[in-house]
Amino acid sequence: AQKITQTQPGMFVQEKEAVTLDCTYDTSDPSYGLFWYKQPSSGEMIFLIYQGSYDQQNATEGRYSLNFQKARKSANLVISASQLGDSAMYFCAMREGPSGANSKLTFGKGITLSVRP
Amino acid sequence: DAGVIQSPRHEVTEMGQEVTLRCKPISGHDYLFWYRQTMMRGLELLIYFNNNVPIDDSGMPEDRFSAKMPNASFSTLKIQPSEPRDSAVYFCASSLPSRGQSIYNEQFFGPGTRLTVL
Repeated sequence: AQKITQTQPGMFVQEKEAVTLDCTYDTSDPSYGLFWYKQPSSGEMIFLIYQGSYDQQNATEGRYSLNFQKARKSANLVISASQLGDSAMYFCAMREGPSGANSKLTFGKGITLSVRP
Repeated sequence: DAGVIQSPRHEVTEMGQEVTLRCKPISGHDYLFWYRQTMMRGLELLIYFNNNVPIDDSGMPEDRFSAKMPNASFSTLKIQPSEPRDSAVYFCASSLPSRGQSIYNEQFFGPGTRLTVL
């Protein structure tokens, strides 16, 4: 079974609108971390946001927020007020186990987001 | 502070040749990761090191691939002999010590090396 599932086809959003990128995960470990990375056309991987499995509140980082639904094992990324520069590939990733024990990340296949002017 | 540095940025070689990719992690980071990205398979972890010691190499595709980390500031990924199916973007990433210095342990990626094997 896939550890990280990102099944949306290419996503389109109008500039200044909000968009949600879906991510579901599979783990039996009670301690884990979820990450979102952005990969623009230039190719670099940029860390966006992190959610720990024991965090009580949803993570937020500027225009990025993470809609964490633990029971459903989903960790959707919400981008508010989309900008043209948000057009990129977005990857969801998971670290299983506490951060002190394991640093290995498993990545999903990614979702392409295109922001329309 | 400089980020993760990779060289070369682009490499074109012929099948059968040896290829060496290089990585300099961020100073002070004690984890180093090598990934491969292709359209078909996405982003795959090949191997990672902690304090210069290989921890998990289960993602290394076959014996043609080898990785070393002779010191804290340098790592290499070698493919010998190279094959066309090795064509991909190879990323190196590093992260902070796992205890007490970073809540996230997020990985910082280098710009990648685009490898083309003809």
